[in-house]
Amino acid sequence: KNQVEQSPQSLIILEGKNCTLQCNYTVSPFSNLRWYKQDTGRGPVSLTIMTFSENTKSNGRYTATLDADTKQSSLHITASQLSDSASYICVVSFSGNTPLVFGKGTRLSVIA
Amino acid sequence: EADIYQTPRYLVIGTGKKITLECSQTMGHDKMYWYQQDPGMELHLIHYSYGVNSTEKGDLSSESTVSRIRTEHFPLTLESARPSHTSQYLCASSEFVAGGLNTGELFFGEGSRLTVL
Repeated sequence: KNQVEQSPQSLIILEGKNCTLQCNYTVSPFSNLRWYKQDTGRGPVSLTIMTFSENTKSNGRYTATLDADTKQSSLHITASQLSDSASYICVVSFSGNTPLVFGKGTRLSVIA
Repeated sequence: EADIYQTPRYLVIGTGKKITLECSQTMGHDKMYWYQQDPGMELHLIHYSYGVNSTEKGDLSSESTVSRIRTEHFPLTLESARPSHTSQYLCASSEFVAGGLNTGELFFGEGSRLTVL
């Protein structure tokens, strides 16, 4: 069973609106949590990386939050643009040499 | 923009053919990785390398092999392709940061989409 669950699976919003994507994880011991943006047919691009001691990090219109106690993270997108249409992937890292655990992603479509 | 390149971007081949997917990075990163991703599914690590002459298998069993003779180059080879190998293959790299496999930001290539008929 995947230890990183993302919701919703897909989302359609109007251009200019805000949205929030969710990520729940069961990975332990936790090292860091990453959010990636993946355009269709392209490789993922890093948006944020947060360690367990950080509870918020911003990158332009993207703001990620982390609650290490409840093992939940969210990615908030402000004033969405058509170019935000992509899959957003939550990735959790164990400590040490265990491979990263990827979520299946949330497919976001921004329409005019 | 990440300086990591994959070729070919798209490949359609017949069963039984040998293929090599190329991956090169110009960032001088020690760590390199190959991931496999099916549509709508999560990425799975199939191979990784800590540096020259270092290769390890990932958490997803794969019939592919890799080599790391030069820092910048990490090719993946399938000796005899089968339809079950149809997938997207993503190469990534990260700089060495003390703390194990998963430290350091990952930079991904654009991917190689393989279709085996």
